[in-house]
Amino acid sequence: DVVMTQSPLSLPVTLGQPASISCRSSQSLVYSDGDTYLNWFQQRPGQSPRRLIYKVSNRDSGVPDRFSGSGSGTDFTLKISRVEAEDVGVYYCMQGIHWPRTFGQGTKVEIK
Amino acid sequence: EVQLVESGGGLVQPGGSLRLSCAASGFTFSSYAMSWVRQTPGRGLEWVSTITSNGGTTYYADSVKGRFTISRDTSKNTLYLQMNSLRVEDTAVYYCGRTGQFDYWGQGSLVTVSS
Repeated sequence: DVVMTQSPLSLPVTLGQPASISCRSSQSLVYSDGDTYLNWFQQRPGQSPRRLIYKVSNRDSGVPDRFSGSGSGTDFTLKISRVEAEDVGVYYCMQGIHWPRTFGQGTKVEIK
Repeated sequence: EVQLVESGGGLVQPGGSLRLSCAASGFTFSSYAMSWVRQTPGRGLEWVSTITSNGGTTYYADSVKGRFTISRDTSKNTLYLQMNSLRVEDTAVYYCGRTGQFDYWGQGSLVTVSS
């Protein structure tokens, strides 16, 4: 199985400051169509997960532009340019190319 | 508006069975693959199963293969997960999701396997 490794697992941030989460996969996530199937999800307390980013860097509809994704191959990053209170929650990366689909362990973002 | 609403969760004894349903609306159900994912405090998010848009191909996690069956009824716009031979470790919140990339999620249904 493809192992997705996130870091850090806990991320205390100050409101208005940037935050960055790393995700590494044990295998390449580049599909034969040339796209890289790496997704990012946000799970706010008490809510279902919600997809924020697909194919490394594409924001889903309604996602604020302070969220951005980058990376290639096996190394990916989710950045929040200026953290707001509503960004508190757990963030997961997920690979969408290999079976079984696998998720990272999750990064808990909290306000200092 | 895309909506996915799970139902059918509950308390079941080890070895028992349960069927989860996921009612879909707001999109052309027959055009999309659909999936199930579960979440536990200890194991995080775990993909369970995916079914292609026409139902012709299914995929399962090794942990549920041979015990769970994913299916869909296009006439009812509903996705199912038949869970047999349930184990304590199957206890989780089960979410349905659209596609294998999970662009939309349901609200979840709690399954508790306990004697």
